[in-house]
Amino acid sequence: SQTIHQWPATLVQPVGSPLSLECTVEGTSNPNLYWYRQAAGRGLQLLFYSVGIGQISSEVPQNLSASRPQDRQFILSSKKLLLSDSGFYLCAWSRGVSGNTIYFGEGSWLTVV
Amino acid sequence: QKEVEQNSGPLSVPEGAIASLNCTYSDRVSQSFFWYRQYSGKSPELIMSIYSNGDKEDGRFTAQLNKASQYVSLLIRDSQPSDSATYLCAVTPEKRSGSARQLTFGSGTQLTVLP
Repeated sequence: SQTIHQWPATLVQPVGSPLSLECTVEGTSNPNLYWYRQAAGRGLQLLFYSVGIGQISSEVPQNLSASRPQDRQFILSSKKLLLSDSGFYLCAWSRGVSGNTIYFGEGSWLTVV
Repeated sequence: QKEVEQNSGPLSVPEGAIASLNCTYSDRVSQSFFWYRQYSGKSPELIMSIYSNGDKEDGRFTAQLNKASQYVSLLIRDSQPSDSATYLCAVTPEKRSGSARQLTFGSGTQLTVLP
């Protein structure tokens, strides 16, 4: 069966500090990978998605970037965090060949202070 | 702008009752519809998907889809306190074999099941 893990689960970072969230998927090949953000009281916002190694599409202009160095690894980064970057970040995957169903990782709570 | 609307609630029902959660969407070409459950502080987990008009049942859950009215609902029979969570509706114009890139989420309905 497929599993998805992301870490760290929680982090508190000062404004201007860097960020790195990591996500890995097991039990499937060539998945589509996604990073979402969920702000308090708001819906899920798609930040990035990837259909393959090195292929990243950004959905919204922002202070964040994403990378996919391996088939089942997805990384969310920032060089300098802003207060507005606080939120619940979710990595997700769907089947690469056929499948529009999203499966989420455990999520990472980021608080920028 | 594609929109998915849900009543934010909170919706409270007594234990054992039927909980009815509703969702409307604006994009008429929507093809695939999903319900996710999200416990407080946790990530969303998939409950059901539905692709055709009508009802789809899975245990205590029934999803209902009416594309003409652009309406999808989730019924939870014999509600339990453990069903207390936020329920997210998600919609995409992609068919089952498509990608999830265009998935649009509602902001969720908070359900509380009272013991």
